[in-house]
Amino acid sequence: RKEVEQDPGPFNVPEGATVAFNCTYSNSASQSFFWYRQDCRKEPKLLMSVYSSGNEDGRFTAQLNRASQYISLLIRDSKLSDSATYLCVVKGSYIPTFGRGTSLIVHP
Amino acid sequence: GAVVSQHPSRVICKSGTSVKIECRSLDFQATTMFWYRQFPKQSLMLMATSNEGSKATYEQGVEKDKFLINHASLTLSTLTVTSAHPEDSSFYICSAMERGGWTDYGYTFGSGTRLTVV
Repeated sequence: RKEVEQDPGPFNVPEGATVAFNCTYSNSASQSFFWYRQDCRKEPKLLMSVYSSGNEDGRFTAQLNRASQYISLLIRDSKLSDSATYLCVVKGSYIPTFGRGTSLIVHP
Repeated sequence: GAVVSQHPSRVICKSGTSVKIECRSLDFQATTMFWYRQFPKQSLMLMATSNEGSKATYEQGVEKDKFLINHASLTLSTLTVTSAHPEDSSFYICSAMERGGWTDYGYTFGSGTRLTVV
């Protein structure tokens, strides 16, 4: 089993839709969790950290389920500019492990 | 916020030559830098962890004699791809962790270097 797994997609959704991604991790000792966004041929950029209590930033909501070992990202009211690859990052000691990313395509 | 500068952004080189990629933390001290490689439609694969003043730790399957890493100061790490071959063509990205340990703010990435070996 891979350390961090994501559905690669692509997820094709219309503008205004709500879309959710999940990411599962195998190391129960993992301590920190992040969602990154990567545009084509660009470097990843931090979208948001994920806290046990769940956290929200505008249209984006991240949640962590330690019991089932997964994190999720919910995007509400999708915009065309949300089209990108979303990377799940899990960190145990101090080395982060990346998922392969989930591709999101928002169409008019 | 923290900024990491990576150069060059794009390089084309002939097979057999060496290429050096620089990664600088501009406004913070990076005790640890990570070097990743990403092939098209693949995830970021960690190649090595670079600690200032000590030898880099390479991931399994990464040839340390081929991918030379130097982290001579708290603001600069370099990756040299020696005797490059077409299969080394990839997107190389560095990431830095600030001195004092990681925070909940994630990692800062360089803008990446697209290497094409012809």
